[in-house]
Amino acid sequence: EVQLVESGGGLVQPGGSLRLSCAASGFTFSSYWMHWVRQAPGKGLVWVSRIYSDGSSASYADSVKGRFTISRDNAKNTLYLQMNSLRAEDTAVYYCARGVLRGWGYDYWGQGTLVTVSS
Amino acid sequence: QSVLTQPPSVSAAPGQKVTISCSGSSSNIGNNYVSWYRQLPGTAPKLLIYDNNKRPSGIPDRFSGSKSGTSATLGITGLQTGDEADYYCGTWDSSLSAYVFGTGTKVTVL
Repeated sequence: EVQLVESGGGLVQPGGSLRLSCAASGFTFSSYWMHWVRQAPGKGLVWVSRIYSDGSSASYADSVKGRFTISRDNAKNTLYLQMNSLRAEDTAVYYCARGVLRGWGYDYWGQGTLVTVSS
Repeated sequence: QSVLTQPPSVSAAPGQKVTISCSGSSSNIGNNYVSWYRQLPGTAPKLLIYDNNKRPSGIPDRFSGSKSGTSATLGITGLQTGDEADYYCGTWDSSLSAYVFGTGTKVTVL
């Protein structure tokens, strides 16, 4: 059974940092592109970042470029999102999601972890 | 502000059909594959359709997807109370170099 389990969310002050993790199981993690998607309270879905299956390339939304870094450890089956210089507008539930193999879309999602940026 | 526009809400009686539109441009829907997601309150999104019209394993054929030009459509037949949820379209935007989601549509079963 495919499982994605996020952790690392919490309350952080503006300007602070947080690292999210997504533990993957039930599939060959190293074969899939992985993504982070966030959702502010009461709002819609917003793509944050993507990383290739081998970690060789990453892409970011303009709103987080230069502040967030996506990475992965295929030996540990874990995806990460390092978030620096956090702002109030980064407050959201952060989901990790698996990209469809040889297709476009996200076929499995984690349960999400809440990040709250507030003083 | 999303580059993909969906109607805020649609509704129909149980057993009826609803369609949800997703309007974009040549930089996104016009030249890339569209996917559709359902999000029940308080839960993670779930993939319903990928590559415009393909259903993942386990998704019933009550759900269908289509694309024409710069617009895409999700159809749901045999509407059930359990279909009450928010629905989002999504696709890659080649100009933004980013994946973009639609504004979301709330489906209500009357």
